Amino acid sequence: DQQVKQNSPSLSVQEGRISILNCDYTNSMFDYFLWYKKYPAEGPTFLISISSIKDKNEDGRFTVFLNKSAKHLSLHIVPSQPGDSAVYFCAASPYGANSKLTFGKGITLSVRP
Amino acid sequence: GAVVSQHPSWVICKSGTSVKIECRSLDFQATTMFWYRQFPKQSLMLMATSNEGSKATYEQGVEKDKFLINHASLTLSTLTVTSAHPEDSSFYICSAPRLRRGTNNEQFFGPGTRLTVL
Repeated sequence: DQQVKQNSPSLSVQEGRISILNCDYTNSMFDYFLWYKKYPAEGPTFLISISSIKDKNEDGRFTVFLNKSAKHLSLHIVPSQPGDSAVYFCAASPYGANSKLTFGKGITLSVRP
Repeated sequence: GAVVSQHPSWVICKSGTSVKIECRSLDFQATTMFWYRQFPKQSLMLMATSNEGSKATYEQGVEKDKFLINHASLTLSTLTVTSAHPEDSSFYICSAPRLRRGTNNEQFFGPGTRLTVL
């Protein structure tokens, strides 16, 4: 049973436009959510996170929104750049240090010049 | 930012041999490290939690006798794939969480190790 779901396997957007990457989760114990960016044959790179006490966290071009009642979060990238093309993983964990992460399957984002 | 290294970055071995992969936290101490594997176009699947000074905790379905984990120091965890077979070919990634003031766990990932078993 997949506890973190990224239902769209891919997304293609025009440079300069907004990219919206969605993620849903089923485990009510998840309290902390992260987005990672990954290139082929490399480890994931941390992008942005949000805890359940917030509904929005912003860092430069990246904003994560959390709707806890819907068990849904999204990553907004604006403006999108060709260098943003990568696989984006949503991950979740129960609150607390050293908590293990549960990952979604990832979304491949392509930003067209 | 924090850095986690892995060695080797890729390895090709014959079926039946054992392969050791090292994961190091370079500028912080990690009492816990995590080992993941990723198949092509799949998610990162947690294999085990490596605990410094104690036994690793394995996820359901992961054979502890096949994937030996040793967390000998606060900066080093090793994963040994014993008697490797072609189905063990995968991308293995480690991560280490680092506490930051006022925030939850932030995990840093190594660059991964590509294992190919012939």
